[in-house]
Amino acid sequence: QLVLTQSPSASASLGTSVKLTCTLSSGHSSYAIAWHQQQPEKGPRYLMKLKSDGSHSKGDGIPDRFSGSSSGAERYLTISSLQSEDEADYYCQTWGTDIAVFGGGTQLTVL
Amino acid sequence: EVQLLESGGGLVQPGGSLRLSCAASGFTFSSYAMGWVRQAPGKGLEWVSGLSGSGSSAYYADSVKGRFTISRDNSKNTLYLQMNSLRAEDTAVYYCAKVNRYTIEDFDYWGQGTLVTVSS
Repeated sequence: QLVLTQSPSASASLGTSVKLTCTLSSGHSSYAIAWHQQQPEKGPRYLMKLKSDGSHSKGDGIPDRFSGSSSGAERYLTISSLQSEDEADYYCQTWGTDIAVFGGGTQLTVL
Repeated sequence: EVQLLESGGGLVQPGGSLRLSCAASGFTFSSYAMGWVRQAPGKGLEWVSGLSGSGSSAYYADSVKGRFTISRDNSKNTLYLQMNSLRAEDTAVYYCAKVNRYTIEDFDYWGQGTLVTVSS
């Protein structure tokens, strides 16, 4: 079964970096994922597509502060030079032949 | 500029029906798969349904299979979600999303959402 696992919460200080993790279920470590950001009271926003080799392509207008990387079944989103507007929920998403799946989301607090 | 504008949400009684629409612009609509994703109050994102660019292949989450039907009119650049036999647990904001490819992959653009409330 295709499942994505995320930590429920994370925090980091203004101006520092944070690395969020999304873990693919067993047998799915080669899958690509996407990262989405949802700021409070807003709809989701696409950040990037991230492949198993760590290559990624970002959505329109996404700052260079956002980057992705991969290791085995883990997919990472790194946000550097944290700003107050980065405080949001972050969701990973993947897909199979006839299904799309979201992780439970990570709520990021910028201190 | 890609734009997705949902409509059709509202209050409906349990067992009732509702049809959501999503008007798309700014891209060649028929070349891309589309999907619906929902978010219950205070909860995370849940994929609901997806449809290939031609409309020939439709996919559903188990939670809505047999009750919801996704469709599209490529001549009107519009995506639909027909929701029947609605339950309280279907209460959510429903987002229309464009897929980055012809079949289900990453969602690269999102609408602003429309709220569906199922309650007596």
